[in-house]
Amino acid sequence: QLQLQESGPGLMKPSETLSLICSVSGGSFNSHNHYWGWIRQPPGKGLEWIGSISSSGDTYYNPSLKIRVRISVDTSKNQFSLNLNSVTAADTALYYCARQTIDSSRDVFDAWGQGMVVTVSS
Amino acid sequence: DIQMTQSPSSLSASVGDRVTITCRASQSISSYLNWYQQKPGKAPNLLIYVASSLQSGVSSRFSGSGSGTDFTLTISSLQPEDFATYYCQESYSTPRTFGQGTKVEIK
Repeated sequence: QLQLQESGPGLMKPSETLSLICSVSGGSFNSHNHYWGWIRQPPGKGLEWIGSISSSGDTYYNPSLKIRVRISVDTSKNQFSLNLNSVTAADTALYYCARQTIDSSRDVFDAWGQGMVVTVSS
Repeated sequence: DIQMTQSPSSLSASVGDRVTITCRASQSISSYLNWYQQKPGKAPNLLIYVASSLQSGVSSRFSGSGSGTDFTLTISSLQPEDFATYYCQESYSTPRTFGQGTKVEIK
């Protein structure tokens, strides 16, 4: 059973850089059909896709966040990471990591971590 | 960016009711439309992909239809475990975008 687990600081100050890690276990991390993504959900609001990365390091990002975001992968540890710089209160959210399966029949987020609350406050 | 608009934003229904949620894309997305269910305190769970294909392990009371810009998610007979928030998501372009959600509450 594939499991994803987010980790990182839960409280940050404005202008700092948010760094989260997603650890993946119980499944294949290097499949060419899988990307690994970050999605966030502000309190009481909907879902916003941040970006995704393949196990070979190909990335694509939400243009609204692209200048502040970097996603990286460490296949030796079955982990991928999110860095978001210059955070503000608007970046306060529940951050999910997820597996994105892309093949001839689908492009879906079909496995999710439990989520991690990140609060930005001075 | 493609905008995804769901309606209604919330609804109240009883166990056994047939429930329909709609999702409209701001431009044609062919059938590149997925549906997710999110229960309080939990991550979203994939229900339907490419508009009408049922994800493995999901109850057959869930069904999806539509193409182009207009899509629907139908729950044929609402069960207690179906009270949740439902999101549509397009997989046609970057950025991947979600609808604002539809909260299904107990009447």
